[in-house]
Amino acid sequence: GAVVSQHPSWVICKSGTSVKIECRSLDFQATTMFWYRQFPKQSLMLMATSNEGSKATYEQGVEKDKFLINHASLTLSTLTVTSAHPEDSSFYICSARSLYSNQPQHFGDGTRLSIL
Amino acid sequence: DQQVKQNSPSLSVQEGRISILNCDYTNSMFDYFLWYKKYPAEGPTFLISISSIKDKNEDGRFTVFLNKSAKHLSLHIVPSQPGDSAVYFCAAIGNTGTASKLTFGTGTRLQVTL
Repeated sequence: GAVVSQHPSWVICKSGTSVKIECRSLDFQATTMFWYRQFPKQSLMLMATSNEGSKATYEQGVEKDKFLINHASLTLSTLTVTSAHPEDSSFYICSARSLYSNQPQHFGDGTRLSIL
Repeated sequence: DQQVKQNSPSLSVQEGRISILNCDYTNSMFDYFLWYKKYPAEGPTFLISISSIKDKNEDGRFTVFLNKSAKHLSLHIVPSQPGDSAVYFCAAIGNTGTASKLTFGTGTRLQVTL
């Protein structure tokens, strides 16, 4: 149980394009979802906490107008990287919190974003 | 400011031997710690956790030890298997303002050799 699906798994696009990444909790309702970013050989860095039906809480240094987060339902959160540039190329991972799990968060498989 | 540190970026262990991965933290508000295993291009997979009220938790081949006074935890894998080769992250949660906010270490790449 507690499966989190992330889509797409890999995307390559031109600079200036906006890219949307979806994170779905498949078998549970997630009132809270988290978005992380990982650069090569570095730690997972929390970007924002997404709460269903309210505005996301962004970590210090993360531009909320650059990384738009929408959590419109209990099973779906989306991250949109607006006007992406090569420096936005990274591995983006979402996680979801289940109230009925002994784990604090369940992770998706990540999205590798490459901006040309 | 790296609040959770894994000072060894890589570790190589022979199959059948013990793997010991270390993690240090600086924030005394952390009260729950986790270890995750991660393969390239995949999300982290939960391995084992420990609450700050304990000093040891064991699950099969995996044991996590916590030394609160030293702000140090370690993951022991015994016996190590080739399939254990991956990057291991320790993570911490605490009363830091955001519920369930995980702070990750920088990871240790474990290579189990035949």
